[in-house]
Amino acid sequence: GAGVSQTPSNKVTEKGKYVELRCDPISGHTALYWYRQSLGQGPEFLIYFQGTGAADDSGLPNDRFFAVRPEGSVSTLKIQRTERGDSAVYLCASSLTGGQKAFFGQGTRLTVV
Amino acid sequence: DAKTTQPPSMDCAEGRAANLPCNHSTISGNEYVYWYRQIHSQGPQYIIHGLKNNETNEMASLIITEDRKSSTLILPHATLRDTAVYYCIVLGSNTGKLIFGQGTTLQVKP
Repeated sequence: GAGVSQTPSNKVTEKGKYVELRCDPISGHTALYWYRQSLGQGPEFLIYFQGTGAADDSGLPNDRFFAVRPEGSVSTLKIQRTERGDSAVYLCASSLTGGQKAFFGQGTRLTVV
Repeated sequence: DAKTTQPPSMDCAEGRAANLPCNHSTISGNEYVYWYRQIHSQGPQYIIHGLKNNETNEMASLIITEDRKSSTLILPHATLRDTAVYYCIVLGSNTGKLIFGQGTTLQVKP
């Protein structure tokens, strides 16, 4: 596709379970970003990849959150032992390189019950 | 923390120009001003960015003051579809992450 694709669009999981959220960036974009957005708030930065490596993971809230981008394209955000406070929309974005305009996906709405 | 200050909300009449202000008094010389908007239930959408010169594209115009401490996003003929939260963001050329503040909720009214 032409844009950033995120799957699933919605995910409901039970407290304590493990979840994976997937992001397919725009082809050729070397930079990829994950954000989290709670209701009524602006997106909150989580992690930024340049190629395969995490250039900045300062936004990951704790060690239950982990993200990978093994081949420099698709990325997976992994959340262990989910908590109700993890409920939010998780947004992915990509850009040609870091510091350039970013294109966002529609997000994955995660609900932890 | 966000480096910008925006009014929390604004109204605009359909067909009129919407002027959205942003203060970024601590901006550094190599930092750009970016504007994004987020329509309800969608991901943020890039609008425009600039360094020190005024910029215009098919969506909007960006006016940056000479001292670069503030800017204004102008939507020349607002439509109902422009109702959204508008974010003003300062971004360094050597960093990737966008830091979003609370933005301005623009309500375009018929």
